[in-house]
Amino acid sequence: EAQVTQNPRYLITVTGKKLTVTCSQNMNHEYMSWYRQDPGLGLRQIYYSMNVEVTDKGDVPEGYKVSRKEKRNFPLILESPSPNQTSLYFCASRDRGLKSYEQYFGPGTRLTVT
Amino acid sequence: GQQVMQIPQYQHVQEGEDFTTYCNSSTTLSNIQWYKQRPGGHPVFLIQLVKSGEVKKQKRLTFQFGEAKKNSSLHITATQTTDVGTYFCAGRWMDSSYKLIFGSGTRLLVRP
Repeated sequence: EAQVTQNPRYLITVTGKKLTVTCSQNMNHEYMSWYRQDPGLGLRQIYYSMNVEVTDKGDVPEGYKVSRKEKRNFPLILESPSPNQTSLYFCASRDRGLKSYEQYFGPGTRLTVT
Repeated sequence: GQQVMQIPQYQHVQEGEDFTTYCNSSTTLSNIQWYKQRPGGHPVFLIQLVKSGEVKKQKRLTFQFGEAKKNSSLHITATQTTDVGTYFCAGRWMDSSYKLIFGSGTRLLVRP
């Protein structure tokens, strides 16, 4: 089954404790993105990646890092989480090409930073 | 910066009534996408509009892209309880093919 998976689905942590949210897709997609969703603000793009070893900042990259060492994986790293990073996070992927514009979203990771 | 404004924020309708949500950009878009997110779920792609004045239909859903490619709408005819969720538009600008800017969403509630 074609899908985007994220782990963990839920995480409660404390300020300053480094964490990683994993994202993996099995569709051989080139493009991957991370979004955060906050009430009233919709989805805001954190980082995106056009291919292995190629990443760029989205609209709200501060406090986050990403890496793309393999095509299927795109982990999101919070080196020193703060309470304002409490949010619902979605990973998404899509194929390259003019007609491959549909983004597939993962199930989401609800993060609480206390 | 680039923004997509979406209204209304909420819409509560009686089952069988119609529903419309609107998106506006201050600058010309390359294309616009629409997504639906069920409560507790993740966004699911509905459609992409590319051409000026484009109209596309999916059963009871009608999507429009404005002539100036600065606005778009989603209209649902005769809503059903299965339509409940939040509808997002997401715009892509001429100068970037990777960044997608989402509107804040319209949450649709349907009274049975």
